[in-house]
Amino acid sequence: DSGVTQTPKHLITATGQRVTLRCSPRSGDLSVYWYQQSLDQGLQFLIQYYNGEERAKGNILERFSAQQFPDLHSELNLSSLELGDSALYFCASGSGDGELFFGEGSRLTVL
Amino acid sequence: DAKTTQPNSMESNEEEPVHLPCNHSTISGTDYIHWYRQLPSQGPEYVIHGLTSNVNNRMASLAIAEDRKSSTLILHRATLRDAAVYYCILFEIQGAQKLVFGQGTRLTINP
Repeated sequence: DSGVTQTPKHLITATGQRVTLRCSPRSGDLSVYWYQQSLDQGLQFLIQYYNGEERAKGNILERFSAQQFPDLHSELNLSSLELGDSALYFCASGSGDGELFFGEGSRLTVL
Repeated sequence: DAKTTQPNSMESNEEEPVHLPCNHSTISGTDYIHWYRQLPSQGPEYVIHGLTSNVNNRMASLAIAEDRKSSTLILHRATLRDAAVYYCILFEIQGAQKLVFGQGTRLTINP
């Protein structure tokens, strides 16, 4: 158990819909990272937050947004969903030294 | 982003040592070398990291070349549970601190 909790574990929705993925980091970790993993793309870095502030941005689409709340949990919002958004979405937390702890992921299926 | 180069796949036998190479010729002086692995159907897992000196922990050893342009992850006695994709990543301790995964090396362990 990494200490990082992601919900929901599985989500099935239709194209055009909007979903929210939630992540609770390990106790004491201020950094939260979001990654997308699809079969043909590997692990893609989306975005990183540190203590509520956006710190780094990767290949995150404009239809996607994220935020980190004062209690340090984070949410990834995916809107106008397309078939190609079907993937595993991982959240990871860390203290800033590069050692990240990953959650079990949220598997999103867009039909 | 600083880049690393790893073989796509490697194969080894159970109970034998495994040496996983990684080239990072454009590494900067402040980049740490991190290794993660991803077992099937799981999120990535931190393995080890280092800056200049060789490092050992309960999971593996990390050997870093003197010029830091390459490194080798050593699994001293592979087990079937070590079959995974291994990622070598450069982590900028200063600046954005994003952890960007490449394609990694898929390690197969034969019984």
